[in-house]
Amino acid sequence: DAGVTQSPTHLIKTRGQQVTLRCSPKSGHDTVSWYQQALGQGPQFIFQYYEEEERQRGNFPDRFSGHQFPNYSSELNVNALLLGDSALYLCASSLWTGKIMNTEAFFGQGTRLTVV
Amino acid sequence: AQSVAQPEDQVNVAEGNPLTVKCTYSVSGNPYLFWYVQYPNRGLQFLLKYITGDNLVKGSYGFEAEFNKSQTSFHLKKPSALVSDSALYFCAVRDKGTGRRALTFGSGTRLQVQP
Repeated sequence: DAGVTQSPTHLIKTRGQQVTLRCSPKSGHDTVSWYQQALGQGPQFIFQYYEEEERQRGNFPDRFSGHQFPNYSSELNVNALLLGDSALYLCASSLWTGKIMNTEAFFGQGTRLTVV
Repeated sequence: AQSVAQPEDQVNVAEGNPLTVKCTYSVSGNPYLFWYVQYPNRGLQFLLKYITGDNLVKGSYGFEAEFNKSQTSFHLKKPSALVSDSALYFCAVRDKGTGRRALTFGSGTRLQVQP
């Protein structure tokens, strides 16, 4: 079992550019969430995808968008990059079990994005 | 709104001694509580969770956590620390009542175990 895999591991972009990060969930999982972890802080929830739809969203601007594919993998897109977008972006996969919310999330190793 | 507080930025403990990493939470309903560990340049690794039932939860690598509803706390503990336990630890909460599935994390506590 490969677990949650993210690509690329590191990325350097210039202000104003656009970036796409990718995530493959753990085998058997159907839900993907994205988190942003700034240096020295805890992860902040960006959004969550299930059945190819955005189900919940955190307090992030519309520059942050995503997609989920039929094979449950997901992409995070960030447009018009700002210096403040520099962070570790974590993908987490889990099972969507209806009203039951007690399943733990499994995280990938993250993508370190640096905006210069 | 749900929130998590980890009051200590860093905890230092000698190898072989017991360790405690503190966490308090705030939710409107009943909580689901989680502990994760992060090693340098890595993602978060799940340690344990509290859902319901027994207030003492046992997890991976000898860690356990005690849920205290009256004090709204979920402290992480280990009877005997190892140097390899040195890492960044995050407490997280999910509010059962809201139906909101996003995890809310604390700011993290760096555990340093000295040989």
